[in-house]
Amino acid sequence: DAGITQSPRYKITETGRQVTLMCHQTWSHSYMFWYRQDLGHGLRLIYYSAAADITDKGEVPDGYVVSRSKTENFPLTLESATRSQTSVYFCASSDVGTLNTEAFFGQGTRLTVV
Amino acid sequence: GQSLEQPSEVTAVEGAIVQINCTYQTSGFYGLSWYQQHDGGAPTFLSYNALDGLEETGRFSSFLSRSDSYGYLLLQELQMKDSASYFCAVRPPGYDSWGKLQFGAGTQVVVTP
Repeated sequence: DAGITQSPRYKITETGRQVTLMCHQTWSHSYMFWYRQDLGHGLRLIYYSAAADITDKGEVPDGYVVSRSKTENFPLTLESATRSQTSVYFCASSDVGTLNTEAFFGQGTRLTVV
Repeated sequence: GQSLEQPSEVTAVEGAIVQINCTYQTSGFYGLSWYQQHDGGAPTFLSYNALDGLEETGRFSSFLSRSDSYGYLLLQELQMKDSASYFCAVRPPGYDSWGKLQFGAGTQVVVTP
């Protein structure tokens, strides 16, 4: 199916564990993004990628690692999960070559760190 | 950096008109966008203003005034399904910052019968 998909949809993990959230898009969009959403903070940018093998930090990158070896995939890894990383994580993608800021979002991963 | 300010909540009755303001502090940006998010759902794109003025898309309109550092989303003929959060968003200027799409904290719109 065309679109952007995230997995898993729900995840519970323990403090200190490593966890990877997956994101896959089928449009061949150049840009991909990871946001976290917490009550009162809206959507905060964690990392983004302009193309395969090109990534850059966003507003709140500490504690997260990303990679992009293929255009269609953009996994987000929490190296050692903390309770403060309990959040809803959204992956998004966007085409390049236009100033339009339209981004397409996945359905989100609800992560709970206990 | 960017600072986007929106009211936290707006309540209105069905059929009414609601205006959601977005004020920002920035030296420049490519344009102002609006996204809608229903509870438990993903944000979805609504509109984009590259230039000053009004953009209309059905019942929704968006406005931008760069000189006033201000924009708004206008929701007309409110329906119950319009109950959602609405976010304004900008891209910072500069090629290297193009990817840093940044969002305001969002406005919760509550539509009552």
